[in-house]
Amino acid sequence: DIVMTQSPDSLAVSLGERATINCKSSQSVLYSSNNKNYLGWYKQKPGQPPKLLIYWASTRESGVPDRFSGSGSGTDFTLTISSLQAEDVAVYYCQQYYSTPFTFGQGTKLEIK
Amino acid sequence: QVQLVQSGAEVTKPGASVKVSCRASGYIFTDYYMHWVRQAPGQGLEWLGWINTNSGGTKYAQKFQGRVTMTRDTSISTAYMELSRLRSDDTAVFYCARALAVDQPLLPADCWGQGTLVTVSS
Repeated sequence: DIVMTQSPDSLAVSLGERATINCKSSQSVLYSSNNKNYLGWYKQKPGQPPKLLIYWASTRESGVPDRFSGSGSGTDFTLTISSLQAEDVAVYYCQQYYSTPFTFGQGTKLEIK
Repeated sequence: QVQLVQSGAEVTKPGASVKVSCRASGYIFTDYYMHWVRQAPGQGLEWLGWINTNSGGTKYAQKFQGRVTMTRDTSISTAYMELSRLRSDDTAVFYCARALAVDQPLLPADCWGQGTLVTVSS
């Protein structure tokens, strides 16, 4: 199984400041045949299901604010929130869908400083 | 609009089975794979498997092989996940979640059900 490791486990950022969450996979999730990274990012608020933010490592899902961006390739990925808003307080998960079982990172809890 | 509506909370005993339903609306049910994911209280997300809602073919995580069964009823656009031989550590919220695009399993999920809490307790 591919192990996904996020860092940090928790993060406190001031409103309007940048938040950065990292995700590392135990093996590459880049498919050479189509040059796509099979990596997504989700946001989850308490009592709600996860919401897809980013797929193919850097493609923003429809309706997701452009302050959210994803980057990285192979085994190392980053989710960046350029200017933190109050509604961004949540737990964020990365997920690989390169091979089954699809696996998630342990989550990063983002709070306001 | 695309919507997935799951069945209500369940309380069941160790050793028993539970079957969760997921009714889809707002799109062609058989065009998209359906994933099932669970989340234990206060914990992270765990993928159980997927079902090809057109053919009925399934792919399960090895961890759940032999205990999980995913089925669907295309006449009512509903997917099901049954987990057997339940243990207390199976207590979790179970989600159904639609794959992002048609006919592709290797995709994240863009639409999720509201979740079904399954509590396993003697």
